[in-house]
Amino acid sequence: RKEVEQDPGPFNVPEGATVAFNCTYSNSASQSFFWYRQDCRKEPKLLMSVYSSGNEDGRFTAQLNRASQYISLLIRDSKLSDSATYLCVVLMFSGGYNKLIFGAGTRLAVHP
Amino acid sequence: DAGVIQSPRHEVTEMGQEVTLRCKPISGHNSLFWYRQTMMRGLELLIYFNNNVPIDDSGMPEDRFSAKMPNASFSTLKIQPSEPRDSAVYFCASSYGTGQETQYFGPGTRLLVL
Repeated sequence: RKEVEQDPGPFNVPEGATVAFNCTYSNSASQSFFWYRQDCRKEPKLLMSVYSSGNEDGRFTAQLNRASQYISLLIRDSKLSDSATYLCVVLMFSGGYNKLIFGAGTRLAVHP
Repeated sequence: DAGVIQSPRHEVTEMGQEVTLRCKPISGHNSLFWYRQTMMRGLELLIYFNNNVPIDDSGMPEDRFSAKMPNASFSTLKIQPSEPRDSAVYFCASSYGTGQETQYFGPGTRLLVL
């Protein structure tokens, strides 16, 4: 079983739609959680951290369910510029240090 | 403020040739990471340096791969000899301290081994 699992998509949605991505992780001792965004042929960039109480940044809302080992990202009012791959990332203690484990990503395509 | 710098941005080589990828981390960052990204395997950590010392090289595929960090502002990843299955995008990332929450990635090197 992969340490971080995501639906690869693609999710094809019209502008203005609300879309949600889910991610599950295997290590219950994982400490911190993040969403990174990767545009086509570009490098990954931090989108937002995920806090236990849930957090919002404009049109983006991230939630964490530790009991179910589940993370989500909700995008409201989708824009064309939201088209990208969204990587679920988990910080866990492995090999003697805190290590970021990246999911394979969920691809989002927003169309006019 | 310059981000992580990688060179070359693209590399096409023939099987058996030596390939050297270069990385300059963000000034002041003392953790450096080399990743490989493919469609099949996603983003994989190859090696992690902290204060120029390799901490975790368990992701290095085999002896053909080697990495060095001679000083705080420069690192290399070398593949010798290269094979077609090494074709991928290689990213270098850096962060401050040992906390790995925010890693800043370079633009990557696209490697194609024929």
